[in-house]
Amino acid sequence: AQSVTQLDSQVPVFEEAPVELRCNYSSSVSVYLFWYVQYPNQGLQLLLKYLSGSTLVKGINGFEAEFNKSQTSFHLRKPSVHISDTAEYFCAVTQGLGFQKLVFGTGTRLLVSP
Amino acid sequence: DVKVTQSSRYLVKRTGEKVFLECVQDMDHENMFWYRQDPGLGLRLIYFSYDVKMKEKGDIPEGYSVSREKKERFSLILESASTNQTSMYLCASSPSTGANEQFFGPGTRLTVL
Repeated sequence: AQSVTQLDSQVPVFEEAPVELRCNYSSSVSVYLFWYVQYPNQGLQLLLKYLSGSTLVKGINGFEAEFNKSQTSFHLRKPSVHISDTAEYFCAVTQGLGFQKLVFGTGTRLLVSP
Repeated sequence: DVKVTQSSRYLVKRTGEKVFLECVQDMDHENMFWYRQDPGLGLRLIYFSYDVKMKEKGDIPEGYSVSREKKERFSLILESASTNQTSMYLCASSPSTGANEQFFGPGTRLTVL
């Protein structure tokens, strides 16, 4: 079964600094990868997804992620964060026949301070 | 816009009560999911439905059941609520073709006293 590791439970950063949130997954077989964001008291919203093609994927709100098959990683980056980026971020990978189910990491809380 | 709605944002129930959490999606998606979210554990899949009246157990189905009588509605049932079921419950839906994203509802925060 697939597993997803988000090693950093919390990442504090100052406003306008760059940030990287790390995600590693267990399987080297073909997978689809996702990053979701959860703002306080809300459901999850898709930031970006990797299905195939270019390994650098751009998403909403200036975020991007790089798929690295040899490292089985899909790290999320933003060159300059805002206070409004304070949220919890979840990495997810497909599992199962037909890629219908997702396995989620435990989440990384991004704390942006002035 | 895809919309997934959940019947309650906050719910407080007593131990032993039967609890129904309702989820409705308006995008004609075949797949629907129930997750619970707990600090430090991320999202864990409780049940998954890929068609009306079809369901599949997820990673933590114990203590839960589900019902999908209509395509747009997926209900999670706690037959006899216990304090360890206090959690955030998230519903999601997705189309059946390809590895499409799941669309999430706002969540229901359930407290069992």
